[in-house]
Amino acid sequence: GAVVSQHPSWVICKSGTSVKIECRSLDFQATTMFWYRQFPKQSLMLMATSNEGSKATYEQGVEKDKFLINHASLTLSTLTVTSAHPEDSSFYICSARDWTGRDSNQPQHFGDGTRLSIL
Amino acid sequence: GQNIDQPTEMTATEGAIVQINCTYQTSGFNGLFWYQQHAGEAPTFLSYNVLDGLEEKGRFSSFLSRSKGYSYLLLKELQMKDSASYLCAVRPHNYGQNFVFGPGTRLSVLP
Repeated sequence: GAVVSQHPSWVICKSGTSVKIECRSLDFQATTMFWYRQFPKQSLMLMATSNEGSKATYEQGVEKDKFLINHASLTLSTLTVTSAHPEDSSFYICSARDWTGRDSNQPQHFGDGTRLSIL
Repeated sequence: GQNIDQPTEMTATEGAIVQINCTYQTSGFNGLFWYQQHAGEAPTFLSYNVLDGLEEKGRFSSFLSRSKGYSYLLLKELQMKDSASYLCAVRPHNYGQNFVFGPGTRLSVLP
């Protein structure tokens, strides 16, 4: 089945550092990928929709200059948390869906998530 | 607007049956999905319904009533490993849009 790979799985770094997270679709092409953030005991909060070859669409309240998204190919989207601070510590998860049309009811497939801890 | 409601927490006993309800009000509807998420892990897909009725997958079943904006996930023969959060998600009608996720229900299975 469809697989989404996300790296790194765990990051610990100092305040002010920029962190890049990669999301890859391994066996399908994903023109659209989604980035979520999840705080402990809370549900997924959509941050942005990443579109291949165009600008990402950010949800209300998400700073586009702080959370840079690049979707340069059909299998890779990256999220860069710039000048990270302790309040950015969270679990970041990407997802993608196979849009080839073979099965219009394909679910979203999630990466394993990245746990970001800013000291 | 989009609104999805689920109970926040539920507790059940090992071997029992539990039903997790989900109600939704969305601008469009093109399918309802259930995901399981263990603490600290990413969600995994469980089931989906696009037409009214019951879909059965082993110990898990999911039901949908589009006229009522209602779904439930039924878990039978509960096991300790079923302790997790269960997320209800609706796919809006427009092709390409994100799924809208509910707040999730944290299920605790007790011995």
